[in-house]
Amino acid sequence: QVQLVQSGAEVKKPGASVKVSCKASGYTVTAYYIHWVRQAPGQGLEWMGRISPNSGGTNYAQQFQGRVTMTRDTSISTIYMEFSSLRSDDTAVYYCAREGQWLEGDYWGQGTLVTVSS
Amino acid sequence: QSVLTQPPSVSAAPGQKVTISCSGSSSNIGNSYVSWYQQLPGTAPKLLIYDNNKRPSGIPDRFSGSKSGTSATLGITGLQTGDEAVYYCGTRDSSLSALWVFGGGTKLTVL
Repeated sequence: QVQLVQSGAEVKKPGASVKVSCKASGYTVTAYYIHWVRQAPGQGLEWMGRISPNSGGTNYAQQFQGRVTMTRDTSISTIYMEFSSLRSDDTAVYYCAREGQWLEGDYWGQGTLVTVSS
Repeated sequence: QSVLTQPPSVSAAPGQKVTISCSGSSSNIGNSYVSWYQQLPGTAPKLLIYDNNKRPSGIPDRFSGSKSGTSATLGITGLQTGDEAVYYCGTRDSSLSALWVFGGGTKLTVL
């Protein structure tokens, strides 16, 4: 069965960077795009960007350009999202999600809480 | 401010039917597929509807989706207490170059 398993919670200081991983299993990882979506406490879903695990090509949301970097290691079926220059309002749960045939997020990771606090 | 507009909350009694609206524009809903997601408290979003009106395997036919012009609707019949969750619509927006945009979410309360 398809699974996306994310790394554990992180606590970071303002100005630091965080790298969250998303390990895919149950399907051919290079065949599907992976998106990253975040959710601040009590708020809605916010799209951050997408990576092609096949080519490594990326598309980032305008508001995160310059702070977010998505990479992959296909040898271990793992996708990474690195987020830099963290601020307190970056405190959120970060999700990875697989893109299905109709642009939908058909499978989601369990989420990774990133807390930014001094 | 979300790109897609949903009502903040809806409510209905067990066994009843409810609809949740999602309003957009020609650059998003009017020109792309709509998906719907259910987010139970403390969990990740779960896909309910894709391609406007299709259900993934395992999603009961109590859940339905429709799209007309620049708006979409999620319908839930035979409401159960387990349906209490936040529901999000999602699609693509060509004007923002955003591959995914979402509504602000609708909290469903089953009274």
